[in-house]
Amino acid sequence: QQQVKQSPQSLIVQKGGISIINCAYENTAFDYFPWYQQFPGKGPALLIAIRPDVSEKKEGRFTISFNKSAKQFSLHIMDSQPGDSATYFCAASMRGYKLSFGAGTTVTVRA
Amino acid sequence: DTAVSQTPKYLVTQMGNDKSIKCEQNLGHDTMYWYKQDSKKFLKIMFSYNNKELIINETVPNRFSPKSPDKAHLNLHINSLELGDSAVYFCASSPIAEKGTGELFFGEGSRLTVL
Repeated sequence: QQQVKQSPQSLIVQKGGISIINCAYENTAFDYFPWYQQFPGKGPALLIAIRPDVSEKKEGRFTISFNKSAKQFSLHIMDSQPGDSATYFCAASMRGYKLSFGAGTTVTVRA
Repeated sequence: DTAVSQTPKYLVTQMGNDKSIKCEQNLGHDTMYWYKQDSKKFLKIMFSYNNKELIINETVPNRFSPKSPDKAHLNLHINSLELGDSAVYFCASSPIAEKGTGELFFGEGSRLTVL
């Protein structure tokens, strides 16, 4: 049973546009919500992460928005660049233990 | 310096064979994992070891057997390979869970193809 549901499965955005990926979870014991970025032929790598006591976290062009009451969180990629083309995974865990991943979103940025 | 390294990167074999994948990390982490990524890119945890002790064992067929000779190494042996075992297997490591970050450092993956 998938503990973190992610959508959309894929998206295409023009260079300079905004990419938005959404995730939802059920387990209220989750206290750590990272996003991983995976390029073809490589392993996933941590992009940005948030804890539920914060509603938003921004690192460069990447922003996580977190809605604790709705049990949802999302990744926004501002000013999307061709180099951002990758698969993005949301995830959740309790105190860093046993990370559960969403199904992934393949982002394609068209030049 | 590669932080988490896996060998081999590619593995093509016949059904019924036995194969192993090796993983080493030089990050000094106490916890190591094996994840399986299927053709739809879904990442599923298989096993986790903390300082050579098995702490997570998901519902994986017992044809899969992990072994951790020391906390820097975690190997995966697969017996009697089946077509459904074809996937990319990722090794990962993380600082101890009590640190609370949960950040995983992944290797580049080992693509297993069973014919």
